Amino acid sequence: SQKIEQNSEALNIQEGKTATLTCNYTNYSPAYLQWYRQDPGRGPVFLLLIRENEKEKRKERLKVTFDTTLKQSLFHITASQPADSATYLCALDDNYGQNFVFGPGTRLSVLP
Amino acid sequence: EPEVTQTPSHQVTQMGQEVILRCVPISNHLYFYWYRQILGQKVEFLVSFYNNEISEKSEIFDDQFSVERPDGSNFTLKIRSTKLEDSAMYFCASRGATGNQPQHFGDGTRLSIL
Repeated sequence: SQKIEQNSEALNIQEGKTATLTCNYTNYSPAYLQWYRQDPGRGPVFLLLIRENEKEKRKERLKVTFDTTLKQSLFHITASQPADSATYLCALDDNYGQNFVFGPGTRLSVLP
Repeated sequence: EPEVTQTPSHQVTQMGQEVILRCVPISNHLYFYWYRQILGQKVEFLVSFYNNEISEKSEIFDDQFSVERPDGSNFTLKIRSTKLEDSAMYFCASRGATGNQPQHFGDGTRLSIL
């Protein structure tokens, strides 16, 4: 069966450290994968998109990797700040952009 | 920066009543989506819409649901006869047509069925 999982429901880290979040999927062949941030009571906000032929993408303190052999994406936030505290969602396209499947999310708390 | 807007932010409706949730996608986007998120659970795909027709829909999107783009700017989700289990946040999203474009989400409508 098809499944998309994120490594943990909640992750606590100290300010200044690097947060690493994992997204694993089975029985999908996505052309690309996206990461979103969601704050309580708000809609998901797009952060980064990585295509199947890309190994790594960076944007400021964010880095995403995509390994289609392992069927895994890693999302890193370096020099984390309390303002980075939120739920982070991975999403992959299931049918060339007609249908997107979201993971359950990881709630990140950055402690001062 | 252009954004997706949704109205109302909160809708309270009696079970069995019809409800229409409204969305104004980003103006030059061509793909439109509805998702729902039950409290504490994951974001679930409902339906995608392109070129004035449904592209794909999930099992959740049964005969009680319909979508419409009545004019050049609005995109609506109608639930014909609401059930208690329809209570959730409903998010609209849109994206551009070129290449692998990300989706942009609105802030949702909280639907409460009594």
